[in-house]
Amino acid sequence: KQEVTQIPAALSVPEGENLVLNCSFTDSAIYNLQWFRQDPGKGLTSLLLIQSSQREQTSGRLNASLDKSSGRSTLYIAASQPGDSATYLCAVGYGGSQGNLIFGKGTKLSVKP
Amino acid sequence: DAGVIQSPRHEVTEMGQEVTLRCKPISGHDYLFWYRQTMMRGLELLIYFNNNVPIDDSGMPEDRFSAKMPNASFSTLKIQPSEPRDSAVYFCASSRVSGANVLTFGAGSRLTVL
Repeated sequence: KQEVTQIPAALSVPEGENLVLNCSFTDSAIYNLQWFRQDPGKGLTSLLLIQSSQREQTSGRLNASLDKSSGRSTLYIAASQPGDSATYLCAVGYGGSQGNLIFGKGTKLSVKP
Repeated sequence: DAGVIQSPRHEVTEMGQEVTLRCKPISGHDYLFWYRQTMMRGLELLIYFNNNVPIDDSGMPEDRFSAKMPNASFSTLKIQPSEPRDSAVYFCASSRVSGANVLTFGAGSRLTVL
């Protein structure tokens, strides 16, 4: 059974720091991996999507990498800002179906001014 | 586009009552998903539809839960009778048939069952 783990559960950093969020999954037979952002009381916003054939994706200050063989993905945030404070969730597309996303429980990030 | 629209945003009800959550997906999206989020279990897929047809309902907890999609622009998730352990945030999401599998989420419906 696919399981997705995110470490750490919470992270607090000063503004301007570069940081890395980690995601690991138990079954490497995935077809994609997504990183989402969730603000308190709101839904999820998709940040980056990496197909299984790709190694990384970049969007602005965000860079996500994927290593299927080791079952790991990282989300790198450069020059963090207080507006980056949110919960970041990793989700693995799994099982060959369009809808089967398995989510981690997220990393709650706090960027202090 | 207004995005995925869910209602109600908040619902407080008493145990045993029927609860109906509603979702309007983004126009042109062929897939619709219902997720449940709790502190203990995180986000779990309950059911998803393709072209209004339920494809996988293996995540529906039990017979008290049912979901319908009568047309491409509307879906409901019903709980009858509701129990305190059903308290959670229920999200609806939709996506195109693209293979890219990028989901757009609604803002969620927070359910509290007393």
